[in-house]
This record gives sequence, structure tokens and C-alpha cells, in this order.
Amino acid sequence: GQNIDQPTEMTATEGAIVQINCTYQTSGFNGLFWYQQHAGEAPTFLSYNVLDGLEEKGRFSSFLSRSKGYSYLLLKELQMKDSASYLCAVRDQGPGGSYIPTFGRGTSLIVHP
Amino acid sequence: DAGVIQSPRHEVTEMGQEVTLRCKPISGHNSLFWYRQTMMRGLELLIYFNNNVPIDDSGMPEDRFSAKMPNASFSTLKIQPSEPRDSAVYFCASSSLTGGKTQYFGPGTRLLVL
Repeated sequence: GQNIDQPTEMTATEGAIVQINCTYQTSGFNGLFWYQQHAGEAPTFLSYNVLDGLEEKGRFSSFLSRSKGYSYLLLKELQMKDSASYLCAVRDQGPGGSYIPTFGRGTSLIVHP
Repeated sequence: DAGVIQSPRHEVTEMGQEVTLRCKPISGHNSLFWYRQTMMRGLELLIYFNNNVPIDDSGMPEDRFSAKMPNASFSTLKIQPSEPRDSAVYFCASSSLTGGKTQYFGPGTRLLVL
């Protein structure tokens, strides 16, 4: 099984930087995802990490430390449209040899002017 | 490109009625997932299929829930009989088994059982 923890809610100011942390426990780790979900919409893919280190993609970066069971999503130059829920998902080996993701509860980010 | 298609987008029904949710995955994707999302429990995996075969249905809440995938382009999730606690947003997602890592989510079906 898996245990995924992330903060419930965070607030930040437009133009600032915010870091959303995710810790996990898993037996057969095979990658960690970050998804963004705006209110009333479906989750959309942001990033994927399977090796240790930082993956940068525009204003968003994601970091992974497998030994620590830890990841973070870094959002720079925050914009009002970044107000959303950010879901951490860990992929583990399931039945039949397939790898399936389990989602955390999500972190609701509120960006204010 | 058409993404994952779900229907209906909204469903309001009365307790005891049968509810059928439908999903068309992205063409070429061979894994399909059904999720349920509520404020209390977050996003929960109900069942997933690889190549139309159910692999893990341990997330299905109880016998009232059933899912089928008769072919690569269609899946259904059925609740019979429905109960108020089934009220949630149900998402379908698809991905590619070979090399694909990302799940692509449909817009969801918002179900309200009165």
C-alpha cells in the first residue's frame, strides 16, 4: 500500500514562489506525478519524476528524492490562474505487473493579489 | 485530438435508481481507469483495465458497483441501486501501456443521488 501526505491548503502572493511538498511511503516505487486541478475540472498532468533530482518546465519545477520518499512542486512567478488544487500521485506496482498511480488528497493553492 | 470522453456530464437521480456512466478513452490507449472524487476522500481508484481486461477492482466500494469494457473504445461504470453516499464526481482516465506514463482524464460525471 501507499501513504501520501501533502498539505491541505497553502496561500501565496501573485508574483511570488511557492513550494508544495509531498511525502510518500511505497514498496515498489515507479515514478511520481504532479497534477493540477482547477475547481470543477479534471486533473491535468504537470510533471513526472522517476529519478532523483529536479525537472524544470517553464515556471514549474518538480523535485524527487527516492531515498527520503519526498517530492516538491515549485511554482515561480505565481499568477492568479495558478489557484488550483495540486495532486501528488505515486506509481506503484499493482496486480498483473501493471503500474498504477495512487493520488494524495491534494493541496489547495490560493494565489491572492 | 479528441481527449477522453465521458457521458453524461451531470446526472441527478433518486435513491434506488440505476446509474450508468460511460467513457470513451483516447484512441490507441490500452489502459483505462475509473476514479471517484469527493471532498472527504479525495481521488480514489475504483477499477482499471488493461487491454479491456479488468486488472484490479479492489477499489470498487461494494457489489452495487460494476464496470465493463466490451471493447477498446468503450467502458461503463454502473451503480445499481444508487444511494446518496454515491454522490461524487466520477472520472475516467486512459493511458498507454507501452511507454506512456501519463494519465489523461475525462471531464468527469457529476452524480447527485437524492
